[in-house]
Amino acid sequence: AQSVTQLDSHVSVSEGTPVLLRCNYSSSYSPSLFWYVQHPNKGLQLLLKYTSAATLVKGINGFEAEFKKSETSFHLTKPSAHMSDAAEYFCVVSDLMNRDDKIIFGKGTRLHILP
Amino acid sequence: NAGVTQTPKFRVLKTGQSMTLLCAQDMNHEYMYWYRQDPGMGLRLIHYSVGEGTTAKGEVPDGYNVSRLKKQNFLLGLESAAPSQTSVYFCASSYRDGITDTQYFGPGTRLTVL
Repeated sequence: AQSVTQLDSHVSVSEGTPVLLRCNYSSSYSPSLFWYVQHPNKGLQLLLKYTSAATLVKGINGFEAEFKKSETSFHLTKPSAHMSDAAEYFCVVSDLMNRDDKIIFGKGTRLHILP
Repeated sequence: NAGVTQTPKFRVLKTGQSMTLLCAQDMNHEYMYWYRQDPGMGLRLIHYSVGEGTTAKGEVPDGYNVSRLKKQNFLLGLESAAPSQTSVYFCASSYRDGITDTQYFGPGTRLTVL
């Protein structure tokens, strides 16, 4: 069965410092992995997705994520945080090759940016 | 190209009242979904549809019904609202290219049941 775990419910970083949001997944087959961002009182916006091509995926707003099969991880990073990055981030796993055919959302990580 | 839109944006109901939430997409997507979002719970799938005229249960379907009479619309109904259904509801639509399913979300409907 698929699952996704976001290891931190809250992360605080200072503006201009690196961001690391951690995500681990479990999947029987080769999953697709996504990161979505949700700003306050808004819907979810796709940041980036991994679909078995390059393991380092670049997304919008300077974010990127690296798929590491050996560690079953898909951590989201950004070299330098900006105040506008303050939001909630969701890691999502999707495995269309699995009979269960489910899309599973993590519980979210709220990113706080300190001035 | 409006993407995914939801109506209404806010609603307050009394226990026992009914209502319908409308989701519309103009991207010609086959798949549509209804989620609810509660603090600390992430998004949980209520119902979904894999095409016009089809619906299926998700993780938390009890107390909700859905219909997909037209490809572009996906309706979520609450027949008898309960305080436990106070939540933010998100609709999404997606296309599948054989290996992945990329979802596009609406702005949400904030529902309060008193």
